[in-house]
Amino acid sequence: GEDVEQSLFLSVREGDSSVINCTYTDSSSTYLYWYKQEPGAGLQLLTYIFSNMDMKQDQRLTVLLNKKDKHLSLRIADTQTGDSAIYFCAVFSGNYGQNFVFGPGTRLSVLP
Amino acid sequence: NAGVTQTPKFRILKIGQSMTLQCTQDMNHNYMYWYRQDPGMGLKLIYYSVGAGITDKGEVPNGYNVSRSTTEDFPLRLELAAPSQTSVYFCASSYIRQSNQPQHFGDGTRLSIL
Repeated sequence: GEDVEQSLFLSVREGDSSVINCTYTDSSSTYLYWYKQEPGAGLQLLTYIFSNMDMKQDQRLTVLLNKKDKHLSLRIADTQTGDSAIYFCAVFSGNYGQNFVFGPGTRLSVLP
Repeated sequence: NAGVTQTPKFRILKIGQSMTLQCTQDMNHNYMYWYRQDPGMGLKLIYYSVGAGITDKGEVPNGYNVSRSTTEDFPLRLELAAPSQTSVYFCASSYIRQSNQPQHFGDGTRLSIL
């Protein structure tokens, strides 16, 4: 089945840029998503990218996709304390029962 | 606009007890999903439904049952609670199950089995 991997922890200083990485195995994945989960809450969709794109920018968020290496990244510019959360990479996998497959999540800690 | 609503938010069960986790959505979404979230493991799909009266197993269905009698409601049933079912459970919905239709999540039910 599909595997989606992420590093579990990332710490950055307030005002710096954060880069959260994700790798996946299903080359047929067409859409790739980033979700944010704040403490005690559900997952909130941040942004997504279609597989024929290399980059997508949305205000402070930049998504980069390297389809050859099956590598996705989320860059958060000017990281704020309110960005502290768990970030999940998710892939819609055509080879996995037409379902979404989530990575384990990266816990981002923003230090003052 | 309530979106996806889950109840209860927290519950403690004894081993062998049963309970139903409730999920309802007011977006007229056809597709609904149940996930469990364990630390460092991401979300695992338990069951999903493509419409009223139709359900199917996900990756980790053992120990759970679901029903979908209406478009709005998708309850998850634990018949004989086991410690391995201690987790956070999320319900989600989407309009159709295509890759460009993201899922909308509830706030979760935190369940402890003691």
